Amino acid sequence: AQKITQTQPGMFVQEKEAVTLDCTYDTSDQSYGLFWYKQPSSGEMIFLIYQGSYDEQNATEGRYSLNFQKARKSANLVISASQLGDSAMYFCAMRVSNTGNQFYFGTGTSLTVIP
Amino acid sequence: DAGVIQSPRHEVTEMGQEVTLRCKPISGHNSLFWYRQTMMRGLELLIYFNNNVPIDDSGMPEDRFSAKMPNASFSTLKIQPSEPRDSAVYFCASSFRVLAGVSETQYFGPGTRLLVL
Repeated sequence: AQKITQTQPGMFVQEKEAVTLDCTYDTSDQSYGLFWYKQPSSGEMIFLIYQGSYDEQNATEGRYSLNFQKARKSANLVISASQLGDSAMYFCAMRVSNTGNQFYFGTGTSLTVIP
Repeated sequence: DAGVIQSPRHEVTEMGQEVTLRCKPISGHNSLFWYRQTMMRGLELLIYFNNNVPIDDSGMPEDRFSAKMPNASFSTLKIQPSEPRDSAVYFCASSFRVLAGVSETQYFGPGTRLLVL
């Protein structure tokens, strides 16, 4: 079975500091993709970053980077230099090649950036 | 390019009424997904389509829910009759599916906030 686990219901970080949001996944498939989405209080789901299972380097997108540790089955999101606008829910998701086109989402982590 | 468009953005209705949610995917995308989000259950996949064909509707809660995709640029999610427990945010998302690919990102619409009284 495919599963995404986010164990941190809520996180706090000081403005300008870095923060890591944890995500572990479970799949027996060798080909999969990992995604992070941001959901601010306004409600929309915003795609942040993607990591493929065969990618050797960690993905980066601006202040976002994905700490991909394949052996540990973890795909943690690192946000550097936190800003007040980073306060939001963050969801980790996985897509597996042999299960069609659907995403498996975690339960999310609520991040609050403190001024 | 326009993103995923959903309408209405907000819907308040009374129990027993029919509710129809609409979605226009991103042009060129061939997969469309309907999700429901609540505090209690999180984000749930209800149904998804590939090339306008429903592939997996195992997440549809019950027969009161139905979804259609008559063409590549339009989909509806209908609830008939609606119940208070259907109150949630309903998201539509689309992606471009490549056979056996894993990198195709799903892009979400703004959601429809449904309140059933």
